[in-house]
Amino acid sequence: ETGVTQTPRHLVMGMTNKKSLKCEQHLGHNAMYWYKQSAKKPLELMFVYNFKEQTENNSVPSRFSPECPNSSHLFLHLHTLQPEDSALYLCASSQGPMGGGRGNSPLHFGNGTRLTVT
Amino acid sequence: AQTVTQSQPEMSVQEAETVTLSCTYDTSESDYYLFWYKQPPSRQMILVIRQEAYKQQNATENRFSVNFQKAAKSFSLKISDSQLGDAAMYFCAYRSARRETSGSRLTFGEGTQLTVNP
Repeated sequence: ETGVTQTPRHLVMGMTNKKSLKCEQHLGHNAMYWYKQSAKKPLELMFVYNFKEQTENNSVPSRFSPECPNSSHLFLHLHTLQPEDSALYLCASSQGPMGGGRGNSPLHFGNGTRLTVT
Repeated sequence: AQTVTQSQPEMSVQEAETVTLSCTYDTSESDYYLFWYKQPPSRQMILVIRQEAYKQQNATENRFSVNFQKAAKSFSLKISDSQLGDAAMYFCAYRSARRETSGSRLTFGEGTQLTVNP
């Protein structure tokens, strides 16, 4: 049990499909994140949420749409993706500054969703 | 903007031996945090060790220790008595200590793939 659960584990979708990635954390954290991990590249931060409010959008294309209904759940809605969007999408959570967390509070990651866009 | 560089895409070590993974970073800030994460084939990112920049003493966690050289902006990870289970991708990461209203952004390096030979 990782504390951060992501579903599905694998996803194959066509460029015209609409799908969603789900993330759930059971750690009582107040901050949640989406990261993109592509081969041979550093992890790229996509979105940050604090207490359900989006506090950072790292210039992500609008074909990626995040949703955070509460502090425990985070979604990433996908539509009209491109083949170059194929990657591992990692969700993470932490006790952010607004929740009393310290800067050395680590991120806890899920196992990721391996996305393939055909 | 901060950057993190891991100059060793791949490293290998014999079981029970010691290996050192390199990490350098670039920042104009004086207060920050540094982390090492490992990512085994299960894909989950796991915190290995962390260091506060204001602390001169190098962090240690069992067989894992760091050599933090603040002036040189270097943060290497030493793994002693390497075990087969240490085989993974290792990522160095940086976080600013500035109190922000957003979550705690982590900037990652490109990673070092560690192989442990029996």
